[in-house]
Amino acid sequence: GAVVSQHPSRVICKSGTSVKIECRSLDFQATTMFWYRQFPKQSLMLMATSNEGSKATYEQGVEKDKFLINHASLTLSTLTVTSAHPEDSSFYICSARKPTMSSYEQYFGPGTRLTVT
Amino acid sequence: EDQVTQSPEALRLQEGESSSLNCSYTVSGLRGLFWYRQDPGKGPEFLFTLYSAGEEKEKERLKATLTKKESFLHITAPKPEDSATYLCAVQISGGYQKVTFGTGTKLQVIP
Repeated sequence: GAVVSQHPSRVICKSGTSVKIECRSLDFQATTMFWYRQFPKQSLMLMATSNEGSKATYEQGVEKDKFLINHASLTLSTLTVTSAHPEDSSFYICSARKPTMSSYEQYFGPGTRLTVT
Repeated sequence: EDQVTQSPEALRLQEGESSSLNCSYTVSGLRGLFWYRQDPGKGPEFLFTLYSAGEEKEKERLKATLTKKESFLHITAPKPEDSATYLCAVQISGGYQKVTFGTGTKLQVIP
């Protein structure tokens, strides 16, 4: 199997504060992890690609200074939403790429519901 | 521009009523096509990877097929627990690891 965990599952914070979300691959090493955002009834929107030991690659329109990504080990990536505002409220999902011979399969975490009041 | 389109947006089936979900794609070069299942408030669950036209994969009541322009997810004799949103995603060839997702098909199976 390929299990990815996220913590916390839900977080409520006040406007202006920062929130850190952790993503862990539990039974495999992931050199690459991805962070997505999902709005209600919409599909997943890729925010950034995180490679272990290097800087994350952000998608166009995603503020890198607002969404700080750190991938310090082969099993852990973190997303920090800095100075959060109500418009940052969303469902954030990470995924980890499991290396195989020919595949780029991604396995997803259970998601984190962020509510900014 | 790479595009992934899923249809229908929503599908309501009676238990036991077989049907198919469609995923059509326009990409410069396909490296892999993925199917996921997503339950409300949860992350997507990996189902299948397809790499080349003509390939088929099965898992319980689900069967995924791939042509050069589209993929189908066939659901045979569905049960209420198959109710979920089914997402397809494509990865283009060329070394970049980005995966593009379709908007999904919300399936509801009624007892």
